[in-house]
Amino acid sequence: SSELTQPPSVSVAPGQTATITCSGDALPEENTYWFQQRPGQAPVLLIYKDTQRPSGIPERFSGSISGTTATLTISGVQAEDEADYYCQSADSSSTYRVFGGGTKLTAL
Amino acid sequence: QVQLVQSGAEVRKPGASVRVACQGSGYRFTDFYIHWVRQAPGHGLEWMAWIMPGSGVTRYAPKFQGRITVSRDTSISTAYMDVRKLKSDDTAMYYCAATYFYGMDVWGQGTTVIVSS
Repeated sequence: SSELTQPPSVSVAPGQTATITCSGDALPEENTYWFQQRPGQAPVLLIYKDTQRPSGIPERFSGSISGTTATLTISGVQAEDEADYYCQSADSSSTYRVFGGGTKLTAL
Repeated sequence: QVQLVQSGAEVRKPGASVRVACQGSGYRFTDFYIHWVRQAPGHGLEWMAWIMPGSGVTRYAPKFQGRITVSRDTSISTAYMDVRKLKSDDTAMYYCAATYFYGMDVWGQGTTVIVSS
């Protein structure tokens, strides 16, 4: 299966740590990417190849992988981090791409 | 700077077709995949297809196979996506994205397509 499962929502107090999970059968073999999307804007790549951070992305964003679950961790959540977050990977043949359903992060 | 600029909003009737354009600049257009992703109002991101502009090789999500066509014109660094037999649930923002350096790291501004009778 190439489906990716994310929790619909995550809430965290400002300054605390948020974790967003992404589960999929192909994740042990395929790279996971994470995107942030603010309302009315195009997605922005936060993490590539499971754990790597593009230049310009703050260090408080980090990625990890364990078996069939990838995790995006946001340390010291700020109000500006309120957004939708999507994981993305590929099917086991690396032919198709797939997005998770998205997680809405709320900073309480 | 590296950027993708998409064509403007479109309104179509059910059953019609639409073409969305995506022009790259600031980089060698032929060397990097272009993906097409859509987002219906209030919904998540949905991957549709990719094209390798240099070779013209394409891959389509099974859901869209046969109803969309992705192409390119390398002389003007532009990728296209044609969607046929439009339905109301094709109403969405359509994005192109290039895997320039890290992954889908360069995105167009999006093109709104509204399907309504």
